[in-house]
Amino acid sequence: QSVLTQPPSVSAAPGQKVTISCSGSSSNIGSNYVCWYQQLPGTAPKLLIYENNKRPSGIPDRFSGSKSGTSATLGITGLQTGDEADYYCGSWDSSLSARLFGGGTKLTVL
Amino acid sequence: QLQLQESGPGLVEPSETLSITCTVSGGSISIGTSYWVWIRQPPGMGLEWIGTSYYSGDPYYNPSLKSRVTISVDTSKSQFSLNLSTVTAADTAVYFCASLTASGTIDHWGQGTLVTVSS
Repeated sequence: QSVLTQPPSVSAAPGQKVTISCSGSSSNIGSNYVCWYQQLPGTAPKLLIYENNKRPSGIPDRFSGSKSGTSATLGITGLQTGDEADYYCGSWDSSLSARLFGGGTKLTVL
Repeated sequence: QLQLQESGPGLVEPSETLSITCTVSGGSISIGTSYWVWIRQPPGMGLEWIGTSYYSGDPYYNPSLKSRVTISVDTSKSQFSLNLSTVTAADTAVYFCASLTASGTIDHWGQGTLVTVSS
């Protein structure tokens, strides 16, 4: 059971929008930055969002991040079949002195 | 562009020590703005942080693995290494090395290496 809680799966049709939530606590999301990673099948994770809502160069603006209190959200608009992947949130936990990941959310583009 | 590449044994026997090395290229391992991280992913499961090291100073580890983990940095070879002792089948995973910024962003990842613990 991960300290950062994500829904196991989400799905939506091509062209639609989807959001993935990441719920934590005051010692992690509530007081530290959140990152989001995309992991395509058989590959290493890739940074999508850092410092809650910033996109690295090369990441399209279809991907967005936000944070409110002890929760964070990844948004993906204009869904494409190539977006089918596992998505992970990550943050530092100041009480545990540990870097945490959510359990991951599998996105299916129907 | 920073690149990281893991090299490991592939297969380790139970109770032995798992050793993996990560070679950093395209940038300096001694750069003051990067930390060096090990993360693992058991088959079909999620990501688990193992530990973080800086080019100088003491590393820090996942409390759940701390008694078995050692991470070291060799600046002369531009490499950092993971040793995990007394392994069991539960340590079977893909092991990733990565770079970490001061804000906690894991910005570059190696491709990962699968290590299977089995006799």
